[in-house]
Amino acid sequence: DIVMTQSPSSLAVSAGETVTINCKSSQSLLSSGNQKNYLAWYQQKPGQSPKLLIYLASTRESGVPDRFIGSGSGTDFTLTISSVQAEDLADYYCQQHYSYPLTFGSGTKLEIK
Amino acid sequence: EVQLVESGGGLVQPGRSLKLSCVASGFTFSNYGMNWIRQAPGKGLEWVAYISSGSSYIYYAETVKGRFTISRDNAKNTLYLQMTSLRSEDTALYYCARRDVYYGLSVGFAYWGQGTLVTVSS
Repeated sequence: DIVMTQSPSSLAVSAGETVTINCKSSQSLLSSGNQKNYLAWYQQKPGQSPKLLIYLASTRESGVPDRFIGSGSGTDFTLTISSVQAEDLADYYCQQHYSYPLTFGSGTKLEIK
Repeated sequence: EVQLVESGGGLVQPGRSLKLSCVASGFTFSNYGMNWIRQAPGKGLEWVAYISSGSSYIYYAETVKGRFTISRDNAKNTLYLQMTSLRSEDTALYYCARRDVYYGLSVGFAYWGQGTLVTVSS
């Protein structure tokens, strides 16, 4: 099984700051066939279902603000949130969909000071 | 509008069974693979099971293999999760989520239901 290691587990920032969340997979998520990384990022606000933010490691889902940026390849990935806003208060999860069983990172709780 | 509505959760004793349902609307259900994902209270997300559009491919998390069965009825636009031999550690909010594919590439879960709560306790 592919283990997803996410860090940090929590962080608190002031509005306007930039946040970086890291996600490391135990195996490469890069498909040799199409050179795509099968890594997604989700945002879960309090009391809500998760929302897809980023897919294929770096493509923003429709409607997602451009302050959310996904990067990385292979086994190391990053979600960057630039100029954090109060509405970004949420838990963030990475997830590999390269192979079954699908696995999620343990999550990062983002708090706004 | 895509909608996924789960039901069937509740309080159940350890060792007993429960069947969850997820009714889909707003899209052609029979064209999409579907998943169950759960979240224990205050914890992270755990993928549980996947079923392909025509039920040919089925996968389970090791934690539920042999106890849970995923199925679907495309005529009724409904996804199911039959859960048996339930344990306290199965207590969670259970979401159904659609496997999304853009331009032939799997992208993850763009649509989720609101979840149904399963509590396993004596």
